Amino acid sequence: DSGVTQTPKHLITATGQRVTLRCSPRSGDLSVYWYQQSLDQGLQFLIQYYNGEERAKGNILERFSAQQFPDLHSELNLSSLELGDSALYFCASSGAGTGVQGTQYFGPGTRLTVL
Amino acid sequence: DAKTTQPPSMDCAEGRAANLPCNHSTISGNEYVYWYRQIHSQGPQYIIHGLKNNETNEMASLIITEDRKSSTLILPHATLRDTAVYYCIVRVAGARQTGANNLFFGTGTRLTVIP
Repeated sequence: DSGVTQTPKHLITATGQRVTLRCSPRSGDLSVYWYQQSLDQGLQFLIQYYNGEERAKGNILERFSAQQFPDLHSELNLSSLELGDSALYFCASSGAGTGVQGTQYFGPGTRLTVL
Repeated sequence: DAKTTQPPSMDCAEGRAANLPCNHSTISGNEYVYWYRQIHSQGPQYIIHGLKNNETNEMASLIITEDRKSSTLILPHATLRDTAVYYCIVRVAGARQTGANNLFFGTGTRLTVIP
């Protein structure tokens, strides 16, 4: 158990809909990262937040957005869903600093299926 | 962009040592080598990381060559539960929460432990 929690575990929805994925980081971690894993793309970094502020963006679509709240949990919002958005979505968290403190620990993921 | 090269697959007999190689010939002086593994769609699991010295923890050992251009992850006594995709990643372990902290996952090595 990494200490990172994600809800829901599974989500099935239809094209055009909007969903919200939730992540709670490990206790004390200020950074949250979102990754997407689809069959043909592998694990791809989407976005990073640190203490409520966006710090880095990866291959995140404009239809997707995220935020980190004062209690440090994060939400990833996916809108106007398409079939190709079906994937596993992972959240990771890390502390600050070098070495062990900066190591990312991953949650169990949310499996999104768009029908 | 991938900065590491790993064999796509390897087999290992149960109880034997599994040695997973990784080439990172363009690694910079401030970049660490990290290893993660992913067991069948679960969240990636942190294994170990190092800068230039060999490292050992309860899961594995990491051997980094003196020129730091390659490394080997060693699972000393592989079990069936070690069957997974293993990712070798180089990244800056930043003291500040910059964009360089996100992880780039390549295709990894699929390790199959055989009974």
